[in-house]
Amino acid sequence: AQSVTQLDSQVPVFEEAPVELRCNYSSSVSVYLFWYVQYPNQGLQLLLKYLSGSTLVKGINGFEAEFNKSQTSFHLRKPSVHISDTAEYFCAVRKGGSEKLVFGKGTKLTVNP
Amino acid sequence: EAGVTQFPSHSVIEKGQTVTLRCDPISGHDNLYWYRRVMGKEIKFLLHFVKESKQDESGMPNNRFLAERTGGTYSTLKVQPAELEDSGVYFCASSQEAVSRANVLTFGAGSRLTVL
Repeated sequence: AQSVTQLDSQVPVFEEAPVELRCNYSSSVSVYLFWYVQYPNQGLQLLLKYLSGSTLVKGINGFEAEFNKSQTSFHLRKPSVHISDTAEYFCAVRKGGSEKLVFGKGTKLTVNP
Repeated sequence: EAGVTQFPSHSVIEKGQTVTLRCDPISGHDNLYWYRRVMGKEIKFLLHFVKESKQDESGMPNNRFLAERTGGTYSTLKVQPAELEDSGVYFCASSQEAVSRANVLTFGAGSRLTVL
């Protein structure tokens, strides 16, 4: 069965610092990868997705992620974070032909002034 | 356009009681999904509706859970009788096309269930 590992449950950073949230997935022939964000009291919002093509994917709010097939990773990065980026971030994978998203446990990003 | 609406936002019940969670998808979205996040664990798929039909309910934990989508509009998820391990956040999501084609899902804010 497909699985997703988010290695860090909590990541504290200072404002304007760079951040990387790590995500690894179990190998599969064809997978589609996603990062979702949940701000307090809100629903999950899609940040970015990798379906095919360029392995560097740019999303909303200045986030980007790189698909690395050999390392089965899809790490999320932002060069300079803001207080407003404080939220929980979820990596998810969908196997080709499946309707189900498989999520990681989430990473709580806290941006401190 | 209105988003996916879920209520109640938070429900606290005692073990053995019944709770019904409701999800109103975005108007015109035929595909409706339920997911659940138990404390400290992953968000997990429960089931998928296309209009009023259950396409996949392989994620439903047991027969204490009953999901319906009469008329193909809103959906309800009933837990009867509730157990302690049912506590968590229940998310609903909808999409116009199936996720396998469009890869776009809009999630609601979730319904937090606490079973005491």
